[in-house]
Amino acid sequence: ELKVEQNPLFLSMQEGKNYTIYCNYSTTSDRLYWYRQDPGKSLESLFVLLSNGAVKQEGRLMASLDTKARLSTLHITAAVHDLSATYFCAVGPSGGSNYKLTFGKGTLLTVNP
Amino acid sequence: GAGVSQSPSNKVTEKGKDVELRCDPISGHTALYWYRQSLGQGLEFLIYFQGNSAPDKSGLPSDRFSAERTGGSVSTLTIQRTQQEDSAVYLCASSLGWGGGKLFFGSGTQLSVL
Repeated sequence: ELKVEQNPLFLSMQEGKNYTIYCNYSTTSDRLYWYRQDPGKSLESLFVLLSNGAVKQEGRLMASLDTKARLSTLHITAAVHDLSATYFCAVGPSGGSNYKLTFGKGTLLTVNP
Repeated sequence: GAGVSQSPSNKVTEKGKDVELRCDPISGHTALYWYRQSLGQGLEFLIYFQGNSAPDKSGLPSDRFSAERTGGSVSTLTIQRTQQEDSAVYLCASSLGWGGGKLFFGSGTQLSVL
């Protein structure tokens, strides 16, 4: 059974600081997703990472994937208040059921002025 | 349409009643997914439809849950004899087939079973 572990689950940071959210998973996969969810809203796709070593960046967020270590990171650079949200990683297993995403529990990020 | 549309946005029902939740995916998206989000369990996969293939129903938690997709477009998730533990946000998503592409999620149906 695929397990996905995110940490930290809660992150409070000041504007202008940098931080990293980690996503570990337990079985082979070559596709990993990062989503953002604002309170009371649905999930917004941030990044799709499909291969080992993949790195994607958008604005102050950068995501990377290391399939050998079964680890993805979401790095936040010079945080701003607008980044406050819950961030989820989701992993699809290798093989025929790779559409069946397993989500981490989410990281609640609060960026304080 | 512009995005994945779900209805109703909120549903309050009494224990034991049946409910139907509707999802209208993005036009042209052949893959459709239902997920459930609850405080205790996080986000859980329920069911997956891809084109005309048989759906993967392996995530449905009990035989009280069923889903269909008509004409390769609109999907309905039905929960019979609702229980309090069914209370959750039911999210629908669609994607352009399956090739590792993005899933686009709807805004969900908040189901409350009293």
